[in-house]
Amino acid sequence: DTGVSQNPRHKITKRGQNVTFRCDPISEHNRLYWYRQTLGQGPEFLTYFQNEAQLEKSRLLSDRFSAERPKGSFSTLEIQRTEQGDSAMYLCASSLPRGATGELFFGEGSRLTVL
Amino acid sequence: GEDVEQSLFLSVREGDSSVINCTYTDSSSTYLYWYKQEPGAGLQLLTYIFSNMDMKQDQRLTVLLNKKDKHLSLRIADTQTGDSAIYFCAEMTGGSYIPTFGRGTSLIVHP
Repeated sequence: DTGVSQNPRHKITKRGQNVTFRCDPISEHNRLYWYRQTLGQGPEFLTYFQNEAQLEKSRLLSDRFSAERPKGSFSTLEIQRTEQGDSAMYLCASSLPRGATGELFFGEGSRLTVL
Repeated sequence: GEDVEQSLFLSVREGDSSVINCTYTDSSSTYLYWYKQEPGAGLQLLTYIFSNMDMKQDQRLTVLLNKKDKHLSLRIADTQTGDSAIYFCAEMTGGSYIPTFGRGTSLIVHP
């Protein structure tokens, strides 16, 4: 399967702990996106990379959130000192630059539950 | 996404047509999309339309765009139970590479 892969699929943690999610995009895609989705809401943009460069960050991405894509391939999203409000599905997507359709290819998401 | 609005639920009978509506606020939107999300799965692109088009048809799917009213619709002909899912409208401007999504419309198809 050459789709977007996210790990772990589920993470339960206690408030105050740090968590890290990993995303492996489709190999020839050099744009990578992180979105957050809560129940009853659509995906909300967090940040995106072109290759290893982080080109834009949403105001939703507080200082406790950091994303990296060190070699322009996989990406990690770390949340420090988790809060209950961080509970959500974290979605990763990838795309080709200036693709004809601008289509994003999404992974199945990493669900975070903060107790 | 506050810039893209959709009704939350739609219930139809199997075999009928479904029409899902979306409004957006950004007049410079260049690309408009419909994504489908089935339970436990990621979002998948169903279809898209460029802002210089009024209509696009793809098998059972028809997309209508009213650029003046910033209104997008998705019609699914002969709706099947397998079409039950959440449908997200999304828009993207030409100068940005960041799609903005609506809250999604939950389509329920009953026999």
